[in-house]
Amino acid sequence: NAGVTQTPKFQVLKTGQSMTLQCAQDMNHNSMYWYRQDPGMGLRLIYYSASEGTTDKGEVPNGYNVSRLNKREFSLRLESAAPSQTSVYFCASSDPGRYEQYFGPGTRLTVT
Amino acid sequence: EDKVVQSPLSLVVHEGDTVTLNCSYEVTNFRSLLWYKQEKKAPTFLFMLTSSGIEKKSGRLSSILDKKELFSILNITATQTGDSAIYLCAVDLTGANSKLTFGKGITLSVRP
Repeated sequence: NAGVTQTPKFQVLKTGQSMTLQCAQDMNHNSMYWYRQDPGMGLRLIYYSASEGTTDKGEVPNGYNVSRLNKREFSLRLESAAPSQTSVYFCASSDPGRYEQYFGPGTRLTVT
Repeated sequence: EDKVVQSPLSLVVHEGDTVTLNCSYEVTNFRSLLWYKQEKKAPTFLFMLTSSGIEKKSGRLSSILDKKELFSILNITATQTGDSAIYLCAVDLTGANSKLTFGKGITLSVRP
């Protein structure tokens, strides 16, 4: 069991470039989440997906899009990266029968 | 606006000390409160609390929730250098989707 995996681990983008962060889980969880973590800000929810085929905005969705490709995979896309999107991005998943979320190792993104 | 406030924001102690980490919340539709430990990478789940006054315990860590006063504490006794981490408190508001609102985290440093 790999749990929650994320690719890439690190990425540097120039302002205006686009990229997709990938997330996959092998725990058969229905719900998946994308967070960003900035120094002194804790974790803030960007988007979440309660089940395959559904997505909803979280606290900070502007500048991002998501796709729930299937039950296992949930991707986060930055269409036109901005320096304000420099952050560490975490993907998480959870089972609707249990409250705790399981996190991936994170992607450190720098936008110059 | 839903708020989760953790205090202190950072703490330095010596090995063997006991520490108390605080989390207070002002939210609508509270369902549960969760504590996570974050070392270098992904947050890992510690405790989930739903009922007031019932202590959850795991080794040297324990936590309790007061739903009347809207706070929780996380205690760590006989601290070790391996306890150095960021401790995150989160509140589950919606229930069905386990959508978490996190506090900013408490950085604990345990010195030998």
